[in-house]
Amino acid sequence: GNSVTQMEGPVTLSEEAFLTINCTYTATGYPSLFWYVQYPGEGLQLLLKATKADDKGSNKGFEATYRKETTSFHLEKGSVQVSDSAVYFCALAGGTSYGKLTFGQGTILTVHP
Amino acid sequence: NAGVMQNPRHLVRRRGQEARLRCSPMKGHSHVYWYRQLPEEGLKFMVYLQKENIIDESGMPKERFSAEFPKEGPSILRIQQVVRGDSAAYFCASSPPSSSSNNEQFFGPGTRLTVL
Repeated sequence: GNSVTQMEGPVTLSEEAFLTINCTYTATGYPSLFWYVQYPGEGLQLLLKATKADDKGSNKGFEATYRKETTSFHLEKGSVQVSDSAVYFCALAGGTSYGKLTFGQGTILTVHP
Repeated sequence: NAGVMQNPRHLVRRRGQEARLRCSPMKGHSHVYWYRQLPEEGLKFMVYLQKENIIDESGMPKERFSAEFPKEGPSILRIQQVVRGDSAAYFCASSPPSSSSNNEQFFGPGTRLTVL
């Protein structure tokens, strides 16, 4: 079946530091890949997505590239802000899991001024 | 266009009671998904419904849990005879009708269930 593995957290950074959160996946077929963000006490918001190999998703300064050869979809941001503090989830849809999203375990990011 | 709505936002039940969680999808969306988030864990898929049909319930516990999405009204996730282990955040998501299996899903704010 499908699975998603995210780097262990939590991650603590100073403002303006570079961020990388690793995500690798296992799936048959050609899944779509997503990054969702969850702020405290809220639901999930889609941050970015990529639907085919070599696609780059980007939003709010965050980027991730769909790498089929390494089955990865790492999230990056060049300069984080305090307001980026949240939980980040990598997820996939499709392949053998028609309809449903399969999530990684989430990575807590805390950014200090 | 209102987003996905869930109510109640917080629900407290005693062991053995029933919990009913409601989800109204975004306007025009006919696909509804329920996910459960246990403390400090990721979201786990529970069930995928379309109007009046359960498409995939592979993530639903075999007992005490049921879900429906009637022709009219919200989707309901029902938990009978709740136990402490049911305490979690339950999120609903919706997506538009499409032949694609990779549609973006829009999430509601969740219902946080606490079982005393």
